[in-house]
Amino acid sequence: QSVLTQPPSVSGAPGQRVTISCTGSSSNIGAGYDVHWYQQLPGTAPKLLIYGNSNRPSGVPDRFSGSKSGTSASLAITGLQAEDEADYYCQSYDSSLSPYWVFGGGTKLTVL
Amino acid sequence: EVQLVESGGGLVQPGRSLRLSCAASGFTFDDYAMHWVRQAPGKGLEWVSGISWNSGSIGYADSVKGRFTISRDNAKNSLYLQMNSLRAEDTALYYCAKDISDTAMASYFDYWGQGTLVTVSS
Repeated sequence: QSVLTQPPSVSGAPGQRVTISCTGSSSNIGAGYDVHWYQQLPGTAPKLLIYGNSNRPSGVPDRFSGSKSGTSASLAITGLQAEDEADYYCQSYDSSLSPYWVFGGGTKLTVL
Repeated sequence: EVQLVESGGGLVQPGRSLRLSCAASGFTFDDYAMHWVRQAPGKGLEWVSGISWNSGSIGYADSVKGRFTISRDNAKNSLYLQMNSLRAEDTALYYCAKDISDTAMASYFDYWGQGTLVTVSS
């Protein structure tokens, strides 16, 4: 059971928009800690996708965007492409327990 | 270019020990905190341990506390994870990850290695 809750899977057709939710609690996201997102392509290491709730590292397309509100956060992907098929993880910090760095269980994005 | 290269994984019997290493390059190693994150086969990511730039602040997940020890050698640009009393549930791909800060407070990971596989089985 992950501290942050994500849907196990989402899907969309090429060109569509999908969102992935990440729900936490008052000791992590709700406490004001930032949410970060990682993309893990099949057979590869995770890669930072969004940091500080809504910021993109250099090289990440602006099709990817993040937002945070209350105890939840969301990752949106517009103009879905086949190469976006991957696992996506949210991550935050929890001040009330160990582990302090907490991840969501991951969401498998399938491009139909 | 930032590079993190893990090594030391392998097949080990329950109750035995293993030491993982992570060789870092492409950045000023002693300016940043570092972490170990693992991923069991077919499962999600789990933070294991983190260490600040000067080893003054160290943390462990409850699942490994008392069995694993994280350390670093800034002169060698290397991060280590000593794993003792290994259990079947420790079987995972272990990633070395770079923190964006030196103190590792409420932070995140901007670079990851490719991982080293640890399999605990008799």
